[in-house]
Amino acid sequence: GEDVEQSLFLSVREGDSSVINCTYTDSSSTYLYWYKQEPGAGLQLLTYIFSNMDMKQDQRLTVLLNKKDKHLSLRIADTQTGDSAIYFCAESIPSGTYKYIFGTGTRLKVLA
Amino acid sequence: GAVVSQHPSWVICKSGTSVKIECRSLDFQATTMFWYRQFPKQSLMLMATSNEGSKATYEQGVEKDKFLINHASLTLSTLTVTSAHPEDSSFYICSASNRDEAKNIQYFGAGTRLSVL
Repeated sequence: GEDVEQSLFLSVREGDSSVINCTYTDSSSTYLYWYKQEPGAGLQLLTYIFSNMDMKQDQRLTVLLNKKDKHLSLRIADTQTGDSAIYFCAESIPSGTYKYIFGTGTRLKVLA
Repeated sequence: GAVVSQHPSWVICKSGTSVKIECRSLDFQATTMFWYRQFPKQSLMLMATSNEGSKATYEQGVEKDKFLINHASLTLSTLTVTSAHPEDSSFYICSASNRDEAKNIQYFGAGTRLSVL
């Protein structure tokens, strides 16, 4: 079945790196995404990776994809207090409408 | 680019009334729009998918007569919560996607908080 799991909570000190993990079960996903949600707001696309890639770097963000283990991670370098938010991973399923399956969300708290 | 506007951001209504939420893609053509519901401290739950000019596809357990979705143009979709009750109070978020773009990226609105008294 379709299931995307994330750890619920992560706390890091300002300046450290954050690593948010995600595991998924549907191997037919084409793209995987990371979104950020601040309190009371919608979702902001951070980055995405094609399922045939294993790494993508975009400024402070590094995405790693292990397709064999169905594991996706997001590393945020030099984490800042403004990075405090909920982070969702999502996979795009080629089901006709290419709907997303969202992860459970990880609440990142950055301590000054 | 890829801006999605959702309106209103907050609405309070009396039980039994209907509420309409608008979702607009401002700078691209949205061939597909999605409507989600989010409960506090939870992930997003897909309610329905709509393609421009055709009927929406509802997820299992979502009442189509309760949540009316219209996607009449490539830039506008609306969700109407009919005869709203307190249990419909929630955070509703829309997203829009251009199917011509291969990456299937969904761009999200800022959400609408609905409070039914």
